[in-house]
Amino acid sequence: ETGVTQTPRHLVMGMTNKKSLKCEQHLGHNAMYWYKQSAKKPLELMFVYNFKEQTENNSVPSRFSPECPNSSHLFLHLHTLQPEDSALYLCASSQVQGGQGSYEQYFGPGTRLTVT
Amino acid sequence: DAKTTQPTSMDCAEGRAANLPCNHSTISGNEYVYWYRQIHSQGPQYIIHGLKNNETNEMASLIITEDRKSSTLILPHATLRDTAVYYCIVRLGRAGSYQLTFGKGTKLSVIP
Repeated sequence: ETGVTQTPRHLVMGMTNKKSLKCEQHLGHNAMYWYKQSAKKPLELMFVYNFKEQTENNSVPSRFSPECPNSSHLFLHLHTLQPEDSALYLCASSQVQGGQGSYEQYFGPGTRLTVT
Repeated sequence: DAKTTQPTSMDCAEGRAANLPCNHSTISGNEYVYWYRQIHSQGPQYIIHGLKNNETNEMASLIITEDRKSSTLILPHATLRDTAVYYCIVRLGRAGSYQLTFGKGTKLSVIP
């Protein structure tokens, strides 16, 4: 595996379900990100993890719960979602040095989530 | 981060150069210009970035005006696989927030 992988690629879940999205980066990076892309809207940053510590949370509802067990893996736990949460969820990674951001972020292919 | 303005859409004939403009009139001295693209239903892909000087890599060239208020991404020989939404982003280089603020971008259609 190379780059950034995400599983599953497609997910359909009911509003009462609990599911998790998984992201894995094979680039040796130390920062990981979750983005949300709704239909006809720009990408929105949700969470940032730097050295496994959450450094940014852009006012995301608590029904989205991130987990970063190590610098290569990132999860997004989902529970009691709403239909408007249907979107493409993208994971990205980058190399951070000295606590500062990097020039480039590398994105995974995304998980297409549909909440019914 | 400075705001950017891009045309909503552009067409380009296959094999010709695609020139995608971006205005960033409020850019500050330490902000970089980044370009990403997103092919339909895939994650965004980094293309190139620059501060003041023109830059070139295997994918594209970036031309930044002397006053840095605008830039142009050039795909020298567009192919059908270059059809995508292209995002121009202005932000601090290594320092500051990790956030990339994506706008609506330019939808480039490469026509056979």
